[in-house]
Amino acid sequence: GENVEQHPSTLSVQEGDSAVIKCTYSDSASNYFPWYKQELGKRPQLIIDIRSNVGEKKDQRIAVTLNKTAKHFSLHITETQPEDSAVYFCAAIGRTGANNLFFGTGTRLTVIP
Amino acid sequence: GAGVSQSPSNKVTEKGKDVELRCDPISGHTALYWYRQRLGQGLEFLIYFQGNSAPDKSGLPSDRFSAERTGESVSTLTIQRTQQEDSAVYLCASSLGGDFRYGYTFGSGTRLTVV
Repeated sequence: GENVEQHPSTLSVQEGDSAVIKCTYSDSASNYFPWYKQELGKRPQLIIDIRSNVGEKKDQRIAVTLNKTAKHFSLHITETQPEDSAVYFCAAIGRTGANNLFFGTGTRLTVIP
Repeated sequence: GAGVSQSPSNKVTEKGKDVELRCDPISGHTALYWYRQRLGQGLEFLIYFQGNSAPDKSGLPSDRFSAERTGESVSTLTIQRTQQEDSAVYLCASSLGGDFRYGYTFGSGTRLTVV
């Protein structure tokens, strides 16, 4: 199946700075790449996603970039705020089914006020 | 319902006992997934149901794990002869099938503790 790797595992930034989380995937057929935010003790929530027919997508302070040739995609958060502190998971659709997501191992982001 | 509902929210069981976890997806969502999340770790795919198609069971870690879903309704994940390494949060998610715009919606999970 798909193999998704995510880095870094932990990230601390000062409030107002930017944060970047990177993921790579193994299956060149993957065509959908969502990012989820999971606050402590809560369920994962979709924050942004990108399909393979675009290279970048933005939504206010968050953006995702995709490089299909290199099979990597990244999450960018600008002007970070303390409420951005959470675990972020990247994911990619696996070959086994059109909706079968495989997740990275997560990045614990801490925004220091 | 308005969201994905899972029950129980917490379950403590003795090693060797069987447990059954329940997921009630959003009405109309044809796809349903089970994931396992061990403490401080990522989401591990277990099983995927899509409509009336045969489920993708490729993520089930052993034959002690099984899941059922009738049509596009409730699903149950059963773990037989539980072991301590089964302790984790079991998350269910549903989606509108092939429509990526809506992504997955996760339930709040069942925290399973095997003692």
